[in-house]
This record gives sequence, structure tokens and C-alpha cells, in this order.
Amino acid sequence: QQQVRQSSQSLTVWEGETAILNCSYENSAFDYFPWYQQFPGEGPALLIAIRSVSDKKEDGRFTIFFNKREKNLSLHIKDSQPGDSATYFCAASDSSGSWQLIFGSGTQLTVMP
Amino acid sequence: EAAVTQSPRNKVAVTGGKVTLSCNQTNNHNNMYWYRQDTGHGLRLIHYSYGAGSTEKGDIPDGYKASRPSQENFSLILELATPSQTSVYFCASGDIRGANTEVFFGKGTRLTVV
Repeated sequence: QQQVRQSSQSLTVWEGETAILNCSYENSAFDYFPWYQQFPGEGPALLIAIRSVSDKKEDGRFTIFFNKREKNLSLHIKDSQPGDSATYFCAASDSSGSWQLIFGSGTQLTVMP
Repeated sequence: EAAVTQSPRNKVAVTGGKVTLSCNQTNNHNNMYWYRQDTGHGLRLIHYSYGAGSTEKGDIPDGYKASRPSQENFSLILELATPSQTSVYFCASGDIRGANTEVFFGKGTRLTVV
């Protein structure tokens, strides 16, 4: 059973559009949700994260919207750029219990110029 | 700057052989993790550790052992490598409970078992 699910394996948007990447989770004990960005040949790097006490986290062009009741969240990338083309992973952790950081299967984003 | 270094970066092993993947972190983080990455599966947790001397099973521990001899080092051991273990392996360190929560990843080890 997949604890963290990303609904789209791939997403293509045009430069300047807002890309929306969706994620859902099973375990209601999860309280920390980072998004990681990965370029080919590199390890994942933290992009932005949210804790379950918040429903929105913004950092520049990147915004997480979090819905605790529905157990889902989304990453919005405003004014997408070709340099944003990468694979994005949603992850989750129960920071007060297990030390595990569980990842979704990733969404490959392509931003067309 | 936070650093996680993996070695080797590439490895070809024979079926049935023993493989050791090494990871070193200079972040002084308590937690360390080993993941494998396969197309369609994302990153799957193999083993993790919350300090020197401890190892815990992740989601897919079968066929793998881990060793954490010190705060800085965390190894993944394949005692009898199989072709199904061909993958890219990532080591990470972090402290999810901390105020500055972030998990840092190494650049990965590409393992091919023939």
C-alpha cells in the first residue's frame, strides 16, 4: 500500500503558466510534508516544506496548499520556467514518532518554452 | 555547507557477490537513510538510523543490511547481490524533528548487478 501518492507521473506546461502537482497520503499521523526537486544525475534537493498546523506555505514562486481533512496537498509553481523542468517528489513524515521519510513516486514536470 | 558523500558513484557487481555502499555526512545529523530509486517507484526507503549503533528497517529491507558505526558513516550491504537490486541508491542525512528540518541527499550510487 502506497502511503504517499502522486496522481500524475508527468505534467507538461508552457512557460509562464502555473504548474500544479498533486499529492495525497494515507497516514493521519504524518505532520511534515516536504517537496523535493530532482534534476537528472543529481540527488533530490529540498524545495519547500509544510507542517500540518499550516494550510499554506509560500516561498517565491512555489506554494504548498495543504488540506488536512482531505489528506492531500498540492505544489503550485507560478510563472513556470524551462529551468523548473525536473522531477518533483512529495514526501511525508511523522516527526513525533517514526523517523521515516516516505516519498511518493514523483511527477516529471516539463516546461515548454 | 551540508554534505553527504557516497562511494562508489558507480559499481558493477556479479550475482551472488557482496556489495558495500558507503555514505559519509559532515552535517552532524542524527538520522541517516538509504533509499533506492527506480522508474515508477520513486524513492523507497530501505534502512534508516537514528544514531551511531542503530539501524531500523524501512519499507523494503529484504536482501539488504545496514551498519552505522559512527555518527558520520552509514553503509548499505548486499550480502548476496541479485540482478533485481540493480538500481540507483541514495543516502541521506537529516533531523526531521529539528527546528531547521531538512534531509540532505548524496549524489547517488548507480549499481548494476550482472
